[in-house]
Amino acid sequence: NAGVTQTPKFQVLKTGQSMTLQCAQDMNHEYMSWYRQDPGMGLRLIHYSVGAGITDQGEVPNGYNVSRSTTEDFPLRLLSAAPSQTSVYFCASRAQGGLTDTQYFGPGTRLTVL
Amino acid sequence: DQQVKQNSPSLSVQEGRISILNCDYTNSMFDYFLWYKKYPAEGPTFLISISSIKDKNEDGRFTVFLNKSAKHLSLHIVPSQPGDSAVYFCAASPGSGNTGKLIFGQGTTLQVKP
Repeated sequence: NAGVTQTPKFQVLKTGQSMTLQCAQDMNHEYMSWYRQDPGMGLRLIHYSVGAGITDQGEVPNGYNVSRSTTEDFPLRLLSAAPSQTSVYFCASRAQGGLTDTQYFGPGTRLTVL
Repeated sequence: DQQVKQNSPSLSVQEGRISILNCDYTNSMFDYFLWYKKYPAEGPTFLISISSIKDKNEDGRFTVFLNKSAKHLSLHIVPSQPGDSAVYFCAASPGSGNTGKLIFGQGTTLQVKP
């Protein structure tokens, strides 16, 4: 059981470039989320999904797209990277019907946009 | 507007003493509160939680207290150990939708000195 995995661990982009942050979980969890962590801001919810084919916006969705074609995968897409998107990104998953506290986080992707 | 606030960015305590981390929230609809612990270069891991129908929850050295009238919760660690040195995030669940959405505070860095 790998839990929640994220790739890449580190990424440097130039302004305007696009990329996809990958997230996968092997626990058959219905709920998956993307957060970003910035100094002094804690973790802020970007997008979340309650199941395959269903996604919704969180607190800071602008500049990011998501899709959920399978239960296992929840990629986060940056269509045109901006320096304001420099951050550490965490993916998380949780089982439907489970307690809110059984939310598992991946190790994070550190993204720098120049 | 920050709905969950941790006003102390850092805390330093001596090994064996009590650590008290504080968290304030503004939204009275929050019904579930959690504390996460985060080591550098790792994702947050769940530590302890409390439902809004309770005022205290204890798990070993960790106790969370909830004061709903003051919209305040605190995490007590007794006795503190050097391995407890980490960033601690307070989080709140907005309503009973059980979607895995969490609102996080900014985090408090705890240093436990041997």
